[in-house]
Amino acid sequence: DTEVTQTPKHLVMGMTNKKSLKCEQHMGHRAMYWYKQKAKKPPELMFVYSYEKLSINESVPSRFSPECPNSSLLNLHLHALQPEDSALYLCASSQGPRGIQETQYFGPGTRLLVL
Amino acid sequence: AQKVTQAQTEISVVEKEDVTLDCVYETRDTTYYLFWYKQPPSGELVFLIRRNSFDEQNEISGRYSWNFQKSTSSFNFTITASQVVDSAVYFCALSFQAGTALIFGKGTTLSVSS
Repeated sequence: DTEVTQTPKHLVMGMTNKKSLKCEQHMGHRAMYWYKQKAKKPPELMFVYSYEKLSINESVPSRFSPECPNSSLLNLHLHALQPEDSALYLCASSQGPRGIQETQYFGPGTRLLVL
Repeated sequence: AQKVTQAQTEISVVEKEDVTLDCVYETRDTTYYLFWYKQPPSGELVFLIRRNSFDEQNEISGRYSWNFQKSTSSFNFTITASQVVDSAVYFCALSFQAGTALIFGKGTTLSVSS
């Protein structure tokens, strides 16, 4: 089973709102990722968590705040977003850093619209 | 520079035609990994295949086949007898170590009409 789930599927928020995106996997993976994808563009890496610790932050603005409460869950907290942050947010997981690249499995994404 | 080029932006075919999606990569690393993902209109990126740099064996999976050639730095993907359900954006991607970013090409949009 290679399932990664994400909630909500769609989210509309104002620039003053606070919301969270959630991602869950039950494959025993120890690396989890957030990607942002604009329309007609490839996904761009935002954050990587390895064994529940933040290992990569690709210079993402502080209005995006990731959290990894446990090995199965990954959250992305959103605050004071801008309209240009509207995008598809994809979560992915992989088995865990063991010195070799493993396949990243993606969730269905959350389509975010910031008004 | 690490880079993936998918020169074909859009391809349109009629059902049952064969279609090849091109992928050319650039890297100076000797150990790397290549991937193909499919993204249907629903948005989810579906993993199709992973190939290690030291394994040049081509692979066939049903109607899908992949041709990996290190001499030309290419990892092309062929769909035989295409179907409408194959309509999607296909991404070729490159990576190096576990827990790092996938370097994606810009994607090829495949439209299969009946």
